[in-house]
Amino acid sequence: GNSVTQMEGPVTLSEEAFLTINCTYTATGYPSLFWYVQYPGEGLQLLLKATKADDKGSNKGFEATYRKETTSFHLEKGSVQVSDSAVYFCALSPPTSGTYKYIFGTGTRLKVLA
Amino acid sequence: DAGVIQSPRHEVTEMGQEVTLRCKPISGHDYLFWYRQTMMRGLELLIYFNNNVPIDDSGMPEDRFSAKMPNASFSTLKIQPSEPRDSAVYFCASSSGGPYNEQFFGPGTRLTVL
Repeated sequence: GNSVTQMEGPVTLSEEAFLTINCTYTATGYPSLFWYVQYPGEGLQLLLKATKADDKGSNKGFEATYRKETTSFHLEKGSVQVSDSAVYFCALSPPTSGTYKYIFGTGTRLKVLA
Repeated sequence: DAGVIQSPRHEVTEMGQEVTLRCKPISGHDYLFWYRQTMMRGLELLIYFNNNVPIDDSGMPEDRFSAKMPNASFSTLKIQPSEPRDSAVYFCASSSGGPYNEQFFGPGTRLTVL
């Protein structure tokens, strides 16, 4: 079946450090891949997405590349800020027509220290 | 532009009581999703609707849970009777057509069942 595995948290970094949060997936066909972010006390919001192999999604300094060969969609940011402290969710949308059931990872909590 | 609206934001009730959570999706969106988030199980899709029709309720935990969408601008999730293990944050999300489109989440309802 379809699944998403992301690295365990929490991840604690100093401001301006480099961030990588790993995400790998299992799916038949070619799913769409997403990163959502959840700030304290809020709902999830889309951070970036990629819909086909080798696509790179980017937003607010975050990037992730859809790697079919390694079934991965790792999230990266070159220089994190305190305001990036949040929980990050990797998700996939299966390619089956008419199926809109996102599958979310368990989330990775990021804490950035000043 | 109003986002997804959920009410109440917080609900504390006693075991055995009926609980009703409410959601107003973004105007024009034709998909509506109910999720539950807990520390133990992460983010789980309970049910989703397309054009007010329930499409997949396989995530609804048991018969105590029911969801309705009487019109395009309103949905409810009801738990009757409630149990302590139902304590969680419940999110409503909506999206506009297509499997690759962003889901917009509401702020969530934090439910505590004593």
